[in-house]
Amino acid sequence: AQTVTQSQPEMSVQEAETVTLSCTYDTSESDYYLFWYKQPPSRQMILVIRQEAYKQQNATENRFSVNFQKAAKSFSLKISDSQLGDAAMYFCASVSRLTFGEGTQLTVNP
Amino acid sequence: SQTIHQWPATLVQPVGSPLSLECTVEGTSNPNLYWYRQAAGRGLQLLFYSVGIGQISSEVPQNLSASRPQDRQFILSSKKLLLSDSGFYLCAWSGGARGTRYGYTFGSGTRLTVV
Repeated sequence: AQTVTQSQPEMSVQEAETVTLSCTYDTSESDYYLFWYKQPPSRQMILVIRQEAYKQQNATENRFSVNFQKAAKSFSLKISDSQLGDAAMYFCASVSRLTFGEGTQLTVNP
Repeated sequence: SQTIHQWPATLVQPVGSPLSLECTVEGTSNPNLYWYRQAAGRGLQLLFYSVGIGQISSEVPQNLSASRPQDRQFILSSKKLLLSDSGFYLCAWSGGARGTRYGYTFGSGTRLTVV
């Protein structure tokens, strides 16, 4: 069975600063994918970034990047130049059948 | 392009009443389909998934059932709702086989309140 753990129920960041959200996972699969999803107050689930486990290079999407440490089974999300619109619940997830962590509520302070 | 539709957006039902939530996907064929439930402020719990018409797998024993009568239609049902069935229900799809490498696309969700 797969497990995904997000140890930070809540985080806050000042606008324009950088914040890192933590995630650890456990899987017996050798080929897998990891995702970060964002859920704003509208509750629509939005894919933020994905990482293929066989790739050493960390994924980057504009202001969002990941720090993927395969041996440590760690997959953190870094948000640079935080904006008010980044305020949301963030979920780390692992396939197969997308197992989600419990989420981290991110507050962005003006 | 592919789109996913889920309805209704909000539903208030009395205890003991039946339930039917519907989800349809457009612009793709033979998708994998999923039903998730989210309790307030919590993570997502996978309820059912389907890899084809009539093929349903249940992850958690409960008061709910799912059906896939057509390739791109996924229905979540209950014969008699319980208070504990309240929550936010999300439908999602992914490409079949290795399509899950791209993640899931979610519908806009249904907020169910059982009173």
